Amino acid sequence: TQLLEQSPQFLSIQEGENLTVYCNSSSVFSSLQWYRQEPGEGPVLLVTVVTGGEVKKLKRLTFQFGDARKDSSLHITAAQPGDTGLYLCAGQDNYGQNFVFGPGTRLSVLP
Amino acid sequence: SAVISQKPSRDICQRGTSLTIQCQVDSQVTMMFWYRQQPGQSLTLIATANQGSEATYESGFVIDKFPISRPNLTFSTLTVSNMSPEDSSIYLCSVRAASGYTFGSGTRLTVV
Repeated sequence: TQLLEQSPQFLSIQEGENLTVYCNSSSVFSSLQWYRQEPGEGPVLLVTVVTGGEVKKLKRLTFQFGDARKDSSLHITAAQPGDTGLYLCAGQDNYGQNFVFGPGTRLSVLP
Repeated sequence: SAVISQKPSRDICQRGTSLTIQCQVDSQVTMMFWYRQQPGQSLTLIATANQGSEATYESGFVIDKFPISRPNLTFSTLTVSNMSPEDSSIYLCSVRAASGYTFGSGTRLTVV
């Protein structure tokens, strides 16, 4: 079973600060996704990365897929209270069938 | 991307009873997925529901406890049977497109 670890587990920062959260595994994934889940809602897809070393930007969010496709990071610049939520990474196995979700990083951005 | 309507959004149930959760998708999809998210934890896949065949359950989940129906390509139900407090969780249905998963808003179940 491919496992994903995320760090930190919890993060509380002030509005305007920058932050990076990490998603790591000992396994290689064909693709990796990041989701944000707000209270009372289901996770919402933010991005999919498929190429080792790939960097994608979504406004103030920068996603990077590791060269070996075993890890990924999410960097948020000038965090805002609206960024508060649970950030989940999900890796797709090399057979292209199943996704496994990491435990998530719970982010709180204080005004 | 697909839009999923899931209901109920929350419920409080007595132990020993059953609850059926419904998911309606605004487009036809081959597979629908049911996940459980226990308090403070990530998503665990319960089963994959295909139209016209029995659902495929993941290790640790059985049909008697979590029966699933998939009568057509836009609808599925998950029943949590003979509930105990350990079943208190958020239950989510989802569909998968090439870009990723779309989730329903979840059902927050509390068993007392």
